This record gives sequence, C-alpha cells and structure tokens, in this order.
Amino acid sequence: QVQLVESGGGVVQPGRSLRLSCAASGFTFSSYGMHWVRQAPGKGLEWVAIISYDGSNKYYADSVKGRFTISRDNSKNTLFLQMNSLRPEDTAVYYCAKDRSTETDFDSWGQGTLVTVSS
Amino acid sequence: QSALTQPASVSGSPGQSITISCTGTSSDVGGYNYVSWYQQHPGKAPKLMIYDVTDRPSGVSNRFSGSKSGNTASLTISGLQAEDEADYYCTSYTSSSTVVFGGGTKLTVL
Repeated sequence: QVQLVESGGGVVQPGRSLRLSCAASGFTFSSYGMHWVRQAPGKGLEWVAIISYDGSNKYYADSVKGRFTISRDNSKNTLFLQMNSLRPEDTAVYYCAKDRSTETDFDSWGQGTLVTVSS
Repeated sequence: QSALTQPASVSGSPGQSITISCTGTSSDVGGYNYVSWYQQHPGKAPKLMIYDVTDRPSGVSNRFSGSKSGNTASLTISGLQAEDEADYYCTSYTSSSTVVFGGGTKLTVL
C-alpha cells in the first residue's frame, strides 16, 4: 500500500531555512505528481505546491512563491520542500500528498511533519 | 488565490442528510470539473472522499455524493452516522494551474 513519510520538521528562527523530505513507497513514484499541503495549528488546510511526475512543471501558492522550492529525486523515491526566508505564519504541519492522476487532487497523504517558526 | 467559501459548521441528527456548500469563481469551481472533498478527523491526515465533482474513490461509502452548479459545489452526506463527525474541506483546480482549498466545515452529528 502507499506509504508517505515526512521528515525534517522542527523549530527554526524567522528568516532561516529548512528542508523537508517525503519518502514514498508502495507505488511507482516516478509516475505521479506530488503535492505539499500545510495546516497551521487549529486552522484549515492550505495547498502549498505541486511538482509533476518528472519534475518538469512546478506551481506554488502565492503565499510561498519565491521562498519555497519543491523538487523530487525519482531515483530515491523522495520528494523535497526547500523553505527559505521562513516567517512565523509558515508555522504548520506540512503534509506530502500523492496526486491521484490529474494534478488536481490527492489520494494518499503522509502523517505530516511540524514546522515551528519562532525566535 | 482566495480560499473557497464554505460554511464554518453544519449539524444533523443520525440518519438525516446534510449538505455542505463550496463557493468559488469562474476561475476555479465554475471553470473546471475538478472539485474534490476531503474528510479530516482530529489529529489525522485528510482522506479523499469525492473527486472530479461527483466520483467516489474505492472504499468510500455511497452515502457521500457530490454535485456542482455554476460556481458552487456541494457535498451531501445521507444517513448520517456518528463516525461522519469531522472537518470537511473542498478543493478546486484553478486557472493558474494551482489548487485552492475551502476554509473547512465542521460537521457535528447531534
């Protein structure tokens, strides 16, 4: 079965950087787009970014554009999110999610990793 | 990329039906048949319940159904059960090739 395991979260000061990883298994990783979705404590879900199956296309939410970079290593079945210039409002649980097929929805999710941006 | 509009909360008694609305614009909900719905229980990852406006993934109860009219999509849950109590989120594909979530709706089963 599909398994997605996020890592790399933690506490970081405003303005610093953090890199999240998502290890995928149980499906042909290189055939599917992948997303990052986040959820601030006690708040709703917010879509962050998508990368196409081969990494050729990437799109971002306005709130992270220019600061976050999504990437993937299909040889290692791993998804990444490089987060630069972090702000307190970036504090959230970050989920990686597998695209179902049309790069418009998510049929499998990881359990999330918490990122806290605080001085 | 404004969030889609959902009611903050809805409630219903066991056995009843409820409907959650999700309102967007012609650049998202109204422009594409790519509306999805997710169920999230406290402390858990979300679960896909409806995709492409009306389709259910394998394993999702047929008590869950989706529809769309113009810029508003809807999720209907019939025969409410205690286990349906959760937060529900809609999403839509957008004209910017991004995805936008609704603000979420808390469903209470009375």
